[in-house]
Amino acid sequence: DTGVSQNPRHKITKRGQNVTFRCDPISEHNRLYWYRQTLGQGPEFLTYFQNEAQLEKSRLLSDRFSAERPKGSFSTLEIQRTEQGDSAMYLCASSREPGNTEAFFGQGTRLTVV
Amino acid sequence: AQSVSQHNHHVILSEAASLELGCNYSYGGTVNLFWYVQYPGQHLQLLLKYFSGDPLVKGIKGFEAEFIKSKFSFNLRKPSVQWSDTAEYFCAVIYGGATNKLIFGTGTLLAVQP
Repeated sequence: DTGVSQNPRHKITKRGQNVTFRCDPISEHNRLYWYRQTLGQGPEFLTYFQNEAQLEKSRLLSDRFSAERPKGSFSTLEIQRTEQGDSAMYLCASSREPGNTEAFFGQGTRLTVV
Repeated sequence: AQSVSQHNHHVILSEAASLELGCNYSYGGTVNLFWYVQYPGQHLQLLLKYFSGDPLVKGIKGFEAEFIKSKFSFNLRKPSVQWSDTAEYFCAVIYGGATNKLIFGTGTLLAVQP
C-alpha cells in the first residue's frame, strides 16, 4: 500500500500519560499535515511541515503537543500529560507542493484517554 | 473568521433519489474548494475539487459541484444516489495563502436506503 500510513490505529491511555503517534506520508510528498477530528465535527488543522520544517501551528496545539519530522519523511505527534479532552481521531495527510495538489489522508489514530 | 458551513447534518434518501448537499464559505478572496467523502471505516477521499475555470466541476462516482462565487457556495450534487453512497461528506476550503491547510465543514452524514 503506497498511501499515507498511521500507527497505531487505536490507542487507549490513562490520563496523565504521554502518547506518540507516527505518520508515514506518500514517499514523494514534501508536505505533511496533522488534523484532529472529534465526534460530529470535521477535521481541524493542527500543524504542517514542508520537508522537515514546521511552518505553521494552530492555536489548538497547546504546549503539551509537539510534532516533528526530523528527516522530512515520517512525522511523529506527541501529546504529553494527556487529558480526557484530547480524546479524538488524529489524522495525517500529505501532498506534493508546489501547486495546489490533492492532500491524501491516512486512516487516522483514534486516541481514547480514560 | 474563516469558516465553512454545511447545512445538512443528516440526510436520508432512497436509492435513485437526487442529492444536493449545501456548503458555504465565509471569505471573499481567493479560495480552493473541495468535497471529501469518508465511507464507513475508511479514510477521507477526495471526491472533487475546484481551483479555477469552469465553475461546474465533475468528480468521481457521478458527483458534481457548482461554485457560485456570488453566493460563496459550493454545493455537491448527484442525480441518482446508490446505497453505496452511504458515507459522510465533508466540504473543505483552502483560503488564499501559502499553507494549503484545509478548513473543513462539520460534515453531512448521508444514509441511502435500498
